[in-house]
Amino acid sequence: ELKVEQNPLFLSMQEGKNYTIYCNYSTTSDRLYWYRQDPGKSLESLFVLLSNGAVKQEGRLMASLDTKARLSTLHITAAVHDLSATYFCAVDRNTGNQFYFGTGTSLTVIP
Amino acid sequence: ETGVTQSPTHLIKTRGQQVTLRCSSQSGHNTVSWYQQALGQGPQFIFQYYREEENGRGNFPPRFSGLQFPNYSSELNVNALELDDSALYLCASSTTGWQTQYFGPGTRLTVL
Repeated sequence: ELKVEQNPLFLSMQEGKNYTIYCNYSTTSDRLYWYRQDPGKSLESLFVLLSNGAVKQEGRLMASLDTKARLSTLHITAAVHDLSATYFCAVDRNTGNQFYFGTGTSLTVIP
Repeated sequence: ETGVTQSPTHLIKTRGQQVTLRCSSQSGHNTVSWYQQALGQGPQFIFQYYREEENGRGNFPPRFSGLQFPNYSSELNVNALELDDSALYLCASSTTGWQTQYFGPGTRLTVL
């Protein structure tokens, strides 16, 4: 069974600081996705990583993928309060858009 | 462009009852997947429909079933509801290939 683990599970950081969320998965996959979920809301797509070495950046967030290490990272630069949310990584089952989600990282940015 | 929509928003049922949840996919998307998200957990894949056929299933019992219609909308049916079925049910649509899925707002099911 494919397992996807994120760490940390909970992250509290001050505005202006940098931090990295890690996503490890247990099987071969070249496709990794990051989503954001605000409390009581649905999932918002952040990044699509489709090959080894892929790097995507949007604003203060940057995601990367190392398929050999089965590791993806989500780096937060100079955090702001609006980034407070739960972040999920998801791995495709290699059968086409059938995702295994990680445990989620609940991020709180303190002003 | 219309996004993914789901109905109803909230639903309360009692144990043993049956429930039907509905999803309209985003315009141009032919694949619909359903996920169950328990409180404080990540979404878990239930099944996927492509061209009206089930195209993959997660670790869920047969009392979870679905349909996809010619307009690509979809239903999730759950029979013999159990307390542990209480969760947020998310529908996601996509095109074929390896692009991302777009999620609907979800249906919050409470089983008493």
